[in-house]
Amino acid sequence: AQKITQTQPGMFVQEKEAVTLDCTYDTSDPSYGLFWYKQPSSGEMIFLIYQGSYDQQNATEGRYSLNFQKARKSANLVISASQLGDSAMYFCAMRPYNTGGFKTIFGAGTRLFVKA
Amino acid sequence: GAGVSQSPSNKVTEKGKDVELRCDPISGHTALYWYRQSLGQGLEFLIYFQGNSAPDKSGLPSDRFSAERTGGSVSTLTIQRTQQEDSAVYLCASSTSQGAGFFGQGTRLTVV
Repeated sequence: AQKITQTQPGMFVQEKEAVTLDCTYDTSDPSYGLFWYKQPSSGEMIFLIYQGSYDQQNATEGRYSLNFQKARKSANLVISASQLGDSAMYFCAMRPYNTGGFKTIFGAGTRLFVKA
Repeated sequence: GAGVSQSPSNKVTEKGKDVELRCDPISGHTALYWYRQSLGQGLEFLIYFQGNSAPDKSGLPSDRFSAERTGGSVSTLTIQRTQQEDSAVYLCASSTSQGAGFFGQGTRLTVV
């Protein structure tokens, strides 16, 4: 069965510091994609970053990077130099490419609070 | 269009009425998803369309819920005999066969 686990319901970080949001996943599919989304209070879902299971390097997009540890089945999101606008809900998601109906499943989310 | 478009953005309906929610995906995206999100909660998977394959309906909470996707493009989610527990934001996303899903703004459904 496919599963995404985000164990941190809420996180606080001081402005300008880095923060890591945890995500672990479970799949038997050797080929899959991992995604992170941001959902601010406005409700829109914003795609942040993608990591493919066969990618050799960790994905980076500006201040976002994905700490991909395949053997541990973890895909933690690292936000560097936090800004007040980073306060939002963050969702980790996975999409298996060969099994599980190929549909994307989401974790329960982590609410990030950035303090001034 | 440039992004995923959902309509209406807000819908208030009386308990027992039927509602239809529309999703217009990004052109060329073969995959289309419907999710439901209650206040402060995560995303609950409802249904998934991929190309011409049979849809994955495993997330539909009851037989009052149904969805179709016409011509591989626009999708309609129908909720019959709405109940108060159906109140939520209904999100639609589309993607390429392996890419990230891009979401619409959602439809906020309130059943009174």
